[in-house]
Amino acid sequence: KQEVTQIPAALSVPEGENLVLNCSFTDSAIYNLQWFRQDPGKGLTSLLLIQSSQREQTSGRLNASLDKSSGRSTLYIAASQPGDSATYLCAVNQAGTALIFGKGTTLSVSS
Amino acid sequence: KAGVTQTPRYLIKTRGQQVTLSCSPISGHRSVSWYQQTPGQGLQFLFEYFSETQRNKGNFPGRFSGRQFSNSRSEMNVSTLELGDSALYLCASRASGSRADTQYFGPGTRLTVL
Repeated sequence: KQEVTQIPAALSVPEGENLVLNCSFTDSAIYNLQWFRQDPGKGLTSLLLIQSSQREQTSGRLNASLDKSSGRSTLYIAASQPGDSATYLCAVNQAGTALIFGKGTTLSVSS
Repeated sequence: KAGVTQTPRYLIKTRGQQVTLSCSPISGHRSVSWYQQTPGQGLQFLFEYFSETQRNKGNFPGRFSGRQFSNSRSEMNVSTLELGDSALYLCASRASGSRADTQYFGPGTRLTVL
């Protein structure tokens, strides 16, 4: 059974710092991996989608990498800002079309 | 394009009642999935509908059901509500239903069961 783990559960950094969020999964037979952002009490905003054949995806200050063989993905956020404060979730798409989510990393960026 | 919309945004029900939640996908999207989010279990997949057919189902009891209409709008129904059903219910749509497509989520419906 696929399990997705995100470490750390919470992270606090000062504004301007570069940071890395980690996601690991137990079964490397995934179709793709997606990173989401969730603000308190809100829905999920898709950040990046990495297909299993890709190694990384970039969008603005965000860069996501995928190492399928080791079951790991990282989300790199450059020059963090207070507006980046949110919970970041990774999810893998394996069999079928359902996403399997990690529990998330709650990021707090202080000014 | 308008995003995924969900109604109502908040609901308060009592144990034993039933509830219906609605989701309107992004225009042109044919796949709608439902997820339950709780502090303890995180996000869990309920079911997916594509072209009015249930294509995939998560590990939830039969009290949870859904349907999709010809305009791709979807509803989910929970009967005989239990306290543990209190959660944020999120729906997501994607264009073709392919796993390669990005899923776009709505703001969710917050259900509280008293």
